[in-house]
Order: sequence, then C-alpha cells, then structure tokens
Amino acid sequence: DGGITQSPKYLFRKEGQNVTLSCEQNLNHDAMYWYRQDPGQGLRLIYYSQIVNDFQKGDIAEGYSVSREKKESFPLTVTSAQKNPTAFYLCASNAGTEKNIQYFGAGTRLSVL
Amino acid sequence: GENVEQHPSTLSVQEGDSAVIKCTYSDSASNYFPWYKQELGKGPQLIIDIRSNVGEKKDQRIAVTLNKTAKHFSLHITETQPEDSAVYFCAAKSWTGGSYIPTFGRGTSLIVHP
Repeated sequence: DGGITQSPKYLFRKEGQNVTLSCEQNLNHDAMYWYRQDPGQGLRLIYYSQIVNDFQKGDIAEGYSVSREKKESFPLTVTSAQKNPTAFYLCASNAGTEKNIQYFGAGTRLSVL
Repeated sequence: GENVEQHPSTLSVQEGDSAVIKCTYSDSASNYFPWYKQELGKGPQLIIDIRSNVGEKKDQRIAVTLNKTAKHFSLHITETQPEDSAVYFCAAKSWTGGSYIPTFGRGTSLIVHP
C-alpha cells in the first residue's frame, strides 16, 4: 500500500535531549512537510522540502532541524533548544505541483518527561 | 502571506441535522481549497476539495461552496451521523517563495449526538 509512515507513534523526551521523528513515504512524492499540532492551534508548518537535499523553514522552525538525503525520507529532529516540544507532529507529502493533494501520516505524539 | 480563519471552533449537532463550517482567506491568489477530517489520534484525511474555477462541489452528504469575491468557502454536511464526529480543517493553497504551501484554519471540532 502506498502511504506515509511515521514512527514512533509515541515518544518521550528528557530535558536536554535531542529526539528524531521518522517520516517515510512510498508515494514517489517530491515535496514533504512537517507540521506541529497543538490544541486549538491548527496545523503550523515547521519545515518543508520540495526536492532532495533542499529544505526551507516554515513558520515555527526554531528548535527543530531536518534533512532530506533521500526522496522517501524526511526526518525531523526536535533539539534541546525547543523548550516546549510537547505536541502532535504530522508529516505530509504531495507531488509538489499546484493542484496535488497533500497526504498525511498518522502522527507522532511527543511528550516531555 | 495567506491567512485562513475558520469558524466555529466547536459545533455540536443532533444526528440527522446539518452542519456548516465556514472559512475565510486573505490571499486572492489562492486557488485550491481542500477540507480535511481528522479523527482522534490520526492524521488528517482529505474529504473534499474545490478549485477556484468552480463555485460548488458535492460528494454524497458533503458539499463545499466557494465565493471568490468575498474570499470565503464553506463545508456543508447533511444528515449528520455519529461517525462524522471529528476535527475538520479547511486550507487555502497559494504560491509562497517558489512552492505551493497550504495554510490551514485552526480546525472545528464537530460533535454529532446520537
């Protein structure tokens, strides 16, 4: 089945620790995105990548980092600089053109110990 | 950049009633307006979309209308069922720095009471 796989489903971070959230897609999509979701806040864009080895900051990139070494993979690292990391993180992809549908993964819930 | 406002934030209806969720957008260049449904603990899934050259689109119990002049679009769900209970997001897609980035509304929590 084609789709987007996020792992792990739940993740706990200790203070001062960096953690990495995985996102893999087998849809052959060029564009991938990371969103943060907080209650009542909707979806806020953290980073996006339109092509391999290239990515841009979204609205709330501070405290996060990404890489795009392969078309299928777009991991997100939540660094210790992100002081309020508790949230639901969503990865998405689309074919990168104007009229393509954005597909979402099932999400990772990150909590701080 | 684009700004999308969504109302109401919570909507409670009785089974069988209709539900309407409204969104406004600011960028007149936006030309694609999807609606997503998110069930608890899951990622959003596209339920219907509309492009700027169309005023209305219907898919069974779900319809979306678009008023480009007023820059607003709405989701209409008729004959609501308990399984329609979820959070619904609207979005507007516009060109930003060489990429098509969707801007999402804050979501509407729809509760359908049996």
